[in-house]
Amino acid sequence: NAGVMQNPRHLVRRRGQEARLRCSPVKGHSHVYWYRQLPEEGLKFMVYLQKENIIDESGMPKERFSAEFPKEGPSILRIQQVVRGDSAAYFCASSSPGGRNTGELFFGEGSRLTVL
Amino acid sequence: KQEVTQIPAALSVPEGENLVLNCSFTDSAIYNLQWFRQDPGKGLTSLLLIQSSQREQTSGRLNASLDKSSGRSTLYIAASQPGDSATYLCASPQGGSEKLVFGKGTKLTVNP
Repeated sequence: NAGVMQNPRHLVRRRGQEARLRCSPVKGHSHVYWYRQLPEEGLKFMVYLQKENIIDESGMPKERFSAEFPKEGPSILRIQQVVRGDSAAYFCASSSPGGRNTGELFFGEGSRLTVL
Repeated sequence: KQEVTQIPAALSVPEGENLVLNCSFTDSAIYNLQWFRQDPGKGLTSLLLIQSSQREQTSGRLNASLDKSSGRSTLYIAASQPGDSATYLCASPQGGSEKLVFGKGTKLTVNP
């Protein structure tokens, strides 16, 4: 039983480049969440997606950030024109069709982005 | 707006001691509360999930309680071991949404 799989685990980008982070949820889970953990900060919600739908993106920065969860394949968090302040650990989580309100949230190991 | 606070930020205890980690939340109308463990450079491991209708959950040496009226949850760790050293996070939903609001965690060190 594979858990939430994230890749890459570590990513280094120069300012202005693009970063793409991938997340495959637990098999059978249709709800995906992205969280960001800045150094010395707690985890902050970014976006909640179901297959082919963005349900809540209220935690996403207004520019440069986007997320998708296509019908086939992993969820993608995309950061365009990265800046140093984007350096953080990005965690993906998934839950069963009942959603987080009724079930546990399972997290991946995270993708650590470093912007030079 | 849900706010989650964890005190203390760090805790150091000798091996074998029983300990309690505290978590407080501002919105008592919660669906559930979840405790996680995070090791350095790693992801989050779910420890216990307490539904709003429950008062406590137990798993091995861990026991988590929930008191909605006072806006508090505690994680009790019995007979602590060096392997328990990690950061412990509690999280609760933001209102009726799917957003999970996290505390900043308690960094636990268990000394041999």
